[in-house]
Order: sequence, then C-alpha cells, then structure tokens
Amino acid sequence: DQQVKQNSPSLSVQEGRISILNCDYTNSMFDYFLWYKKYPAEGPTFLISISSIKDKNEDGRFTVFLNKSAKHLSLHIVPSQPGDSAVYFCAASEGGGGQGGSEKLVFGKGTKLTVNP
Amino acid sequence: NAGVMQNPRHLVRRRGQEARLRCSPMKGHSHVYWYRQLPEEGLKFMVYLQKENIIDESGMPKERFSAEFPKEGPSILRIQQVVRGDSAAYFCASSPWRQGLNEQYFGPGTRLTVT
Repeated sequence: DQQVKQNSPSLSVQEGRISILNCDYTNSMFDYFLWYKKYPAEGPTFLISISSIKDKNEDGRFTVFLNKSAKHLSLHIVPSQPGDSAVYFCAASEGGGGQGGSEKLVFGKGTKLTVNP
Repeated sequence: NAGVMQNPRHLVRRRGQEARLRCSPMKGHSHVYWYRQLPEEGLKFMVYLQKENIIDESGMPKERFSAEFPKEGPSILRIQQVVRGDSAAYFCASSPWRQGLNEQYFGPGTRLTVT
C-alpha cells in the first residue's frame, strides 16, 4: 500500500519555464512533508519542507504548496534551469517533535525532471 | 561542516557472506536512519537509531539484518548471509536534536551488489 504517490514518472520542461511536480498522500496522520532532489549515484539532497499548519513555503526558486483537504502537495521551480535535471522525491512523516529528532520518512517513487536548454 | 559519511561506497559480496555498512552522521546530529532503495523504487525506511538505542525498527527484515549506533563510532548496518535480493543502494540519514519538525540529511549511499 503506497502512502505517498508521485504519479508522473517523468517531466520535461524548457529552461526558464515553470516546473510543477505533484505528490499525493493517503495517510491523514502525515503532518510534515519534504522534497528531495537526487542525482544518479548520489544521496538525496534536501530541498524544502512544509508542515501541515501551512499551505505554502517558499525558498528562492522553490515553492511547495500543500492542500490538506485534497491530500496533495506540489513543488514549483521557477525559473527552471538545466542543473535542476534530477529525480525529485516527495516524502512525508508523522511529526517528530516529541523525540526531538525526526520520524521515519515515507517516500514516493520519484519524478525524473529534465530541463532542456 | 562535513555531511553524512558512508563507507564503503560500493560493496560486492557473494551469496552467504556478511555485509557491513557504516554511517557517520553530521556533526551535532544524534539521530540516524537507514533506508534502502531498490531499482526504480523510492527509498524505504529500515531503522531509526539514537546513540545506543533503537527507536524504530519497523522497516527491518526480521532475519539477517541488524543495526547499531554505539556510544563511540559510526552506525553499522549489518546483513548476514546475503542473498541476491539484498542488492540495493543503502542510504543513511541523520537529523539534529531539537524541538519541532526536523529534516533528514542523507549520505551518498552504499551500493551493495550480491553475486
């Protein structure tokens, strides 16, 4: 049973345009959501996160939107650059403040983004 | 500030041998997590440890797999009597101790190949 779903295995956009990556989840206990970027043969790199008390978080070219009622989040990259070409993973957790660390992350299968020059 | 370190980066084992994967968390981080990624799949949680404590091992296979995070030294993921299905990329992550929601930072991974 896949609790975090990224339904688009791949996405191709032109340099300078907007990239929109989507993610759906089924577990209503998730309250923290993260996006990671991964290059081949490397570990995932943390990009941006959002807690369930917010509906938007922005960091430079990256913005994450959360729609709790639809159990949907998206990552917007504006403007897209060729260096953004990578696999993007959506991840979610059920909090973690109690232990002071982080609860386990549940990952989607990833979306491969290609930004064409 | 060094990131999460994992070694070896590549490990080849014959069926039946033991594999030991090591992870040193980022400086100041006291929480370690292990994940496994099979080809064309997302990362799957295996185990969450603090120093000398296993907090959550709900993702660990019941047999042949074990993990530790001793008071001194790196965290170790140990796979005994490896089989071909254990071939995967194993990632370690760490997070700091602070109140609130904390992101996890990943190492470069160990790619295990069982022949």
